[in-house]
Amino acid sequence: NAGVTQTPKFRVLKTGQSMTLLCAQDMNHEYMYWYRQDPGMGLRLIHYSVGEGTTAKGEVPDGYNVSRLKKQNFLLGLESAAPSQTSVYFCASSRNRGRNSPLHFGNGTRLTVT
Amino acid sequence: TQLLEQSPQFLSIQEGENLTVYCNSSSVFSSLQWYRQEPGEGPVLLVTVVTGGEVKKLKRLTFQFGDARKDSSLHITAAQPGDTGLYLCAGGSGGSNYKLTFGKGTLLTVNP
Repeated sequence: NAGVTQTPKFRVLKTGQSMTLLCAQDMNHEYMYWYRQDPGMGLRLIHYSVGEGTTAKGEVPDGYNVSRLKKQNFLLGLESAAPSQTSVYFCASSRNRGRNSPLHFGNGTRLTVT
Repeated sequence: TQLLEQSPQFLSIQEGENLTVYCNSSSVFSSLQWYRQEPGEGPVLLVTVVTGGEVKKLKRLTFQFGDARKDSSLHITAAQPGDTGLYLCAGGSGGSNYKLTFGKGTLLTVNP
């Protein structure tokens, strides 16, 4: 059982370049999330989805776009990367949204923007 | 804005020692989750506590939710090197608009 799989694991971009991070889950979860984790800042929610075809903004959505065309996939896009977007990005999924539905995280993508 | 403060930020101890880490807020949460994150991996859920005063044990780990549901603690007995990692607490609030707020974590190193 793979759980939540993120690709790629590492990426280096130059300022202004674009890229897409892919998240796939095999647990048939309705909810999916993108977080970024920075030293001293903890986990911050970028965007989330409550089901196929839906997306919503989290705490720090600027500079990112997302899409959920298929239930099992949640894509995070950076149209014009900036050094401030250097971070570790985590995708997560949950069956529902509530205290009885913990988050299942992928192993992260480490992005460096130079 | 709801904030969760975790302390200490860093903790380095020897194998066999006991330790307690804390997760505090001025806000009330309907639930409190603890996650452990090992280097190069994503956080993994350890426990969820939902009732004020609730205590849950997971082998050598004891979790407590404060009576007022504003704080929580994690106590580890006889720490082992395998306990090394970043411990994150996350508070849940809201009903239909449920929101999860993460603390910044306590980085624990257990030296052999």
